[in-house]
Amino acid sequence: AQSVTQLDSQVPVFEEAPVELRCNYSSSVSVYLFWYVQYPNQGLQLLLKYLSGSTLVKGINGFEAEFNKSQTSFHLRKPSVHISDTAEYFCAVISQGGSEKLVFGKGTKLTVNP
Amino acid sequence: NAGVTQTPKFQVLKTGQSMTLQCAQDMNHEYMSWYRQDPGMGLRLIHYSVGAGITDQGEVPNGYNVSRSTTEDFPLRLLSAAPSQTSVYFCASKDRRLTGELFFGEGSRLTVL
Repeated sequence: AQSVTQLDSQVPVFEEAPVELRCNYSSSVSVYLFWYVQYPNQGLQLLLKYLSGSTLVKGINGFEAEFNKSQTSFHLRKPSVHISDTAEYFCAVISQGGSEKLVFGKGTKLTVNP
Repeated sequence: NAGVTQTPKFQVLKTGQSMTLQCAQDMNHEYMSWYRQDPGMGLRLIHYSVGAGITDQGEVPNGYNVSRSTTEDFPLRLLSAAPSQTSVYFCASKDRRLTGELFFGEGSRLTVL
């Protein structure tokens, strides 16, 4: 079975500051990794994904994440955040080999202050 | 293109009542699923389906039933609601060729008194 740990439940930052949202996973098999974003009163939408290849993946809205297999991490970063980035961010994992079950972390609430 | 549509958006039930949360998608996705979202718990998988006539349990299936008679629809039934089922419910679908890329509805907020 897989599990995901998001190390910070809340992250407050000022506008134009850089941000890193941390995600660690646990799995006995190889996995694929994802970040989803949930804006207030909406469903989740895919931000970016790592399936294979380059360990640095770029997503929408200027976000990027780096897969580190040795540290079992997939941290999300943005060099300069905007007020509109205020949302909850979820890291998720799915095992390779045909599983359909996407397992989510508990979420990190990012608040960007002016 | 509506995507994933959930109804109702809000519902208040009394303990013991039954109800069905509806989910429909117009993207011809084989895979559909139901999650519940609770504060500090993230999203937990209730049931999922990989095609019409096929359903399976997720992480927290107790108290919920599902069926999948068509590709488009995947209703979630609460047979006897309990206060512990107060939550926000999300339906999600995906093309089985695209690993992990779920499309979510806007959610249904259920309160059980």
